[in-house]
Amino acid sequence: GESVGLHLPTLSVQEGDNSIINCAYSNSASDYFIWYKQESGKGPQFIIDIRSNMDKRQGQRVTVLLNKTVKHLSLQIAATQPGDSAVYFCAENRAGNMLTFGGGTRLMVKP
Amino acid sequence: NAGVMQNPRHLVRRRGQEARLRCSPMKGHSHVYWYRQLPEEGLKFMVYLQKENIIDESGMPKERFSAEFPKEGPSILRIQQVVRGDSAAYFCASSPRGGDSPLHFGNGTRLTVT
Repeated sequence: GESVGLHLPTLSVQEGDNSIINCAYSNSASDYFIWYKQESGKGPQFIIDIRSNMDKRQGQRVTVLLNKTVKHLSLQIAATQPGDSAVYFCAENRAGNMLTFGGGTRLMVKP
Repeated sequence: NAGVMQNPRHLVRRRGQEARLRCSPMKGHSHVYWYRQLPEEGLKFMVYLQKENIIDESGMPKERFSAEFPKEGPSILRIQQVVRGDSAAYFCASSPRGGDSPLHFGNGTRLTVT
């Protein structure tokens, strides 16, 4: 069936380096994607979103890239900090905010 | 400026008991969503409600699970005759409108069935 998935379950980076988290989706009709950050014991926190009419969107220290040709999303975090340590999920909004989440990537930031 | 409030944060039930999970959406939000998360997995959509209406319950098990969002008061997710497989974190999210507006999630209720 349709699904959203991630390539890397765990990513370890040095503090100050840039992080890249990847996500593949399979529903070519999807037109809205969201990245969430989830810290231990908390709910998902919205980071950034992108619509299919764009291929790049930037926020504060984060950038999302969308490649519709290969159905691939990535989240780039600049100058990664210890506070960025969390699990990151991409999600596909199939309709009306009924999101399909990927399995998550754990980001560990080494001091 | 409270966010989405869920209670209780932790709930322990014995097999066969009922679990009631409550969610108060953000102020001004009339769209509520429930998601379930198993350990080390992503969230799975369960049900989408507006005030007094179930819009989509395609992710909810057909038996033992029900949800409501009354005109007054919080949204309730009810699980009857709980089984061990119901142990999970249940998250509620809200948005001011349906469609492509970012969801705001609560911190969840962690249900443990013993």
